[in-house]
Amino acid sequence: DGGITQSPKYLFRKEGQNVTLSCEQNLNHDAMYWYRQDPGQGLRLIYYSQIVNDFQKGDIAEGYSVSREKKESFPLTVTSAQKNPTAFYLCASSIIPNTYNEQFFGPGTRLTVL
Amino acid sequence: QKEVEQNSGPLSVPEGAIASLNCTYSDRGSQSFFWYRQYSGKSPELIMSIYSNGDKEDGRFTAQLNKASQYVSLLIRDSQPSDSATYLCASTSGSARQLTFGSGTQLTVLP
Repeated sequence: DGGITQSPKYLFRKEGQNVTLSCEQNLNHDAMYWYRQDPGQGLRLIYYSQIVNDFQKGDIAEGYSVSREKKESFPLTVTSAQKNPTAFYLCASSIIPNTYNEQFFGPGTRLTVL
Repeated sequence: QKEVEQNSGPLSVPEGAIASLNCTYSDRGSQSFFWYRQYSGKSPELIMSIYSNGDKEDGRFTAQLNKASQYVSLLIRDSQPSDSATYLCASTSGSARQLTFGSGTQLTVLP
């Protein structure tokens, strides 16, 4: 089955701890994205990557880091510098080049700070 | 700051009625517009894409785009309780065609 997988589904972080969220896709999509969703809010872009070994900051990149060493993988690290990390984290991918940029989402990771 | 605005609702309609969801956007350069459905606790699911002025129909869903008024809408005909969800409107902007999302409209279809 083609799709986007995210792990873990639930993640608990202690204060001062870095955690890494996994995102893998087998759709052969070029572009991958990380979003954050807070309760009752829309999605906000953290980072995106259109090609291997290259990525760009989104609107709320502070306290986060990413890597894109393989086309199918785009892990997100939530660092201790992110002061309010409790949120629902969503990974998405899309075909590039594509004028329309239809993005498809993984199932998400819910992160809670203890 | 590019924005996408939606009425947060909640919007309630009886089963079998037409649900109308509205969205406005601020970036006149936006080229593509999307409607996502998000069930509680789940990730967004793409249900409609529209790129040209006018209507686009897919089953019970119709998306309408008016670029002059910077307005996008989604009509759901013969609404079912299973349509109860939050509907997110999104548009592309910038050279990287990033998506900007609205905060969503919560729809409840009453049996």
